Amino acid sequence: GAVVSQHPSRVICKSGTSVKIECRSLDFQATTMFWYRQFPKQSLMLMATSNEGSKATYEQGVEKDKFLINHASLTLSTLTVTSAHPEDSSFYICSASRPSKEFSYNSPLHFGNGTRLTVT
Amino acid sequence: GQQVMQIPQYQHVQEGEDFTTYCNSSTTLSNIQWYKQRPGGHPVFLIQLVKSGEVKKQKRLTFQFGEAKKNSSLHITATQTTDVGTYFCAGTSENQAGTALIFGKGTTLSVSS
Repeated sequence: GAVVSQHPSRVICKSGTSVKIECRSLDFQATTMFWYRQFPKQSLMLMATSNEGSKATYEQGVEKDKFLINHASLTLSTLTVTSAHPEDSSFYICSASRPSKEFSYNSPLHFGNGTRLTVT
Repeated sequence: GQQVMQIPQYQHVQEGEDFTTYCNSSTTLSNIQWYKQRPGGHPVFLIQLVKSGEVKKQKRLTFQFGEAKKNSSLHITATQTTDVGTYFCAGTSENQAGTALIFGKGTTLSVSS
């Protein structure tokens, strides 16, 4: 079954409004979650690393004031797209690693189903 | 910064033909992972390679990690329509192990029966 849950799956909003996307780890605690953005037929672009109890680490070129990340608990990270504009329309997808001794270095990422954001 | 390049971007094959996608990193990797994303779906983990020269097999899929740990390949033997999707490689630099994975642009495979 699903390991990471993401909600909503689709959202349409008007330009200038804010949208919050939730990402939950279902059966494990995730001190770190990752937020990616994917354009049509393109790769996953890492936006930021969400750290439980501390500030998120943003990748170069990603506006932290526009993409607010909150990781208030070990199972929930949220991404808020503030003052959304049509160019923010995209597929946003979160992921988390479930710690496992089976894997070295990076444990595999479990992805949510993604959120398709359309800004009109 | 670290870059992960993947070729080809698209590949169309007839069912039964073989398929290979190649991944190259600008830096030495601590590990490389492969994911598959079906159309309309989310990426799903396939495998992790850690050792130099490592080769792993999953049924018709063969994964290889280069000796220098800077490149990798995924080979599918006798493709089936169920193999359709985008295959991503992802890795982290050896000196940044444990940080977020950087994904290649992916290879989208289409298979006609």
